[in-house]
Amino acid sequence: DAGVIQSPRHEVTEMGQEVTLRCKPISGHNSLFWYRQTMMRGLELLIYFNNNVPIDDSGMPEDRFSAKMPNASFSTLKIQPSEPRDSAVYFCASSLELAEQYFGPGTRLTVT
Amino acid sequence: TQLLEQSPQFLSIQEGENLTVYCNSSSVFSSLQWYRQEPGEGPVLLVTVVTGGEVKKLKRLTFQFGDARKDSSLHITAAQPGDTGLYLCAGAGNGNKLVFGAGTILRVKS
Repeated sequence: DAGVIQSPRHEVTEMGQEVTLRCKPISGHNSLFWYRQTMMRGLELLIYFNNNVPIDDSGMPEDRFSAKMPNASFSTLKIQPSEPRDSAVYFCASSLELAEQYFGPGTRLTVT
Repeated sequence: TQLLEQSPQFLSIQEGENLTVYCNSSSVFSSLQWYRQEPGEGPVLLVTVVTGGEVKKLKRLTFQFGDARKDSSLHITAAQPGDTGLYLCAGAGNGNKLVFGAGTILRVKS
């Protein structure tokens, strides 16, 4: 199994630009999670989907953040417009029936 | 709000020493997971404990879930440089979300 796939691995963008992060979960998993990790705040859950439906988005910082899961094999996290404080590593994780989660390698986002 | 407190935050030891990392909460969790994360990579699941009082062993690593399912510990025997990394505990709580601790950075020097 290829594991959770995320792209890009690194993204550097200027403040105000739109950023789109992508995730392909493990085949057969029906839950998908987006996390953000920083030194100051640790690992924070942003949003999670179950069977492609957003279940809890209470961790999404503000309206600049949005996430979609159009099908079982693909999800996006979009930031528009981006700000320097959004700089972090963003992880996608998937699981089967909300059990043990398997993380992707992450996308390191730098907003200048 | 469910919170998990990990201690210590940072641990630097010599190869061959033993160590214990603690994960504590005032909340009850249906299960608790331990992850290890290396620089530039995502967290990797080590173990899941479900039953109060449960003890699981993974080679030199011993995981214990508290009787009340509010706390857990990770003990490493004879640490090796390859054990270096960030150790995270995560509890399954409200709405099946995982609540993560802040992590323990372990450095094992040879």
